[in-house]
Formats: sequence, C-alpha cells, structure tokens
Amino acid sequence: AQSVTQPDARVTVSEGASLQLRCKYSYSATPYLFWYVQYPRQGLQMLLKYYSGDPVVQGVNGFEAEFSKSDSSFHLRKASVHWSDSAVYFCAVSRFNTGNYKYVFGAGTRLKVIA
Amino acid sequence: EAGVTQSPRYAVLQEGQAVSFWCDPISGHDTLYWYQQPRDQGPQLLVYFRDEAVIDNSQLPSDRFSAVRPKGTNSTLKIQSAKQGDTATYLCASSLLGGFNTGQLYFGEGSKLTVL
Repeated sequence: AQSVTQPDARVTVSEGASLQLRCKYSYSATPYLFWYVQYPRQGLQMLLKYYSGDPVVQGVNGFEAEFSKSDSSFHLRKASVHWSDSAVYFCAVSRFNTGNYKYVFGAGTRLKVIA
Repeated sequence: EAGVTQSPRYAVLQEGQAVSFWCDPISGHDTLYWYQQPRDQGPQLLVYFRDEAVIDNSQLPSDRFSAVRPKGTNSTLKIQSAKQGDTATYLCASSLLGGFNTGQLYFGEGSKLTVL
C-alpha cells in the first residue's frame, strides 16, 4: 500500500536560515507529489506539486521541492525562512488512475522559526 | 471565488451523542473528500465522492459514520453514537478533475470535534 513518511515531527530553525523538510514515499509507480501547509486555525493550502518533467519544482513564497525517483523522496526547501513560515507542513501523494483519485498524507512536520 | 465552507467550526459532545458536519465545496468542483485529522497527525481519508457517487468509503467506520452528497454539491458527514476516539478535526476538501489545477485539493478550515 502507498505511504508517506515525514521523519521529522518538529523542526526549529532561525529566521534567515535555510530549510529542508524531508519526505519519503512508497508507491507502486511514480505518483503525483504535493506539499501542503497548515497555518494555525486554517485549512491546508497547497505549496507546490510535481507531476513530471524537471525534478525541481517551484512553489509559492520561495519554496521549492526536488523529486528523486531513485531515492523515492520529495524534499521541501527554502533558502531563507521568515517567522511567518511557522506552520505544519504535509507531504502528500496521489495517482490519478482511472477511478482512483485518493491522496495519502504524511504525519506532518511542525516548523518553528525563531528570532 | 468563495472557498470551501464547513460548519460548525467546533462541537463538544458526550459519548453516545450524534453530530453532523456540513461542507459546501467550491462551486463547480466535482470531487469532494472528507478527512479525519487527529491531533498532531496528518489527514486520513474517510470517504470521497465524484459528483453524487461514493467512490471510496473503505476507511469510513460504517457502523457509526455516514456521508452523503445527494445533489453532487454540498455534503454531510454524520457520526452517530460518538466515542472519545472520534476526537479530531474533520476536514472537507474539493477538487476539479481536468484543467490546469487538476490534482489540487482545496480545504475548508475544518470542524473540530471533542468527545468527552
């Protein structure tokens, strides 16, 4: 069965530092990959998605992610974090097979940005 | 464009009571999902619809949970005889298959349920 693993439940970084949030997936074929962010008391919002092509995809607010088929990973990066990036980040996978549009989410990584 | 709307935002129940959650998806979105998100965990799919048809409800505890989307627009998730283990936030999401944004889920703010 497909699964998503986010090995870091909590990450703390200083404002202005770089960031990497890790995501590993297990899927029978190359899935579609997503990163979502959840700010306090808000619904999840999509940051970026990967379907095919260039393995590095750009998202909103300076986020990018890199797909690696050999490593079954889709890590999220940002060059310089801001305090407003404090939130919970979820990696998700899906595969739009005929009649199947299910999404599987990881457990999430809670990011805290400190001054 | 209005987003996904859910109500109520909060519900507090005693064990054994019933509750219904309502979701109004983005207009025109054909696919609607209900997720359960326990505290400090990721969303876990309960059921999803394409128009009014249930596509997958294999993760829905059928003895106490039910979900409908009768006209392919709004949806209701009902929990009968709630248990403490049902304490979670219930998220509704919608999407539109086809087009540039295929695959993107749009989430509501969620309905937070506490069962005492």
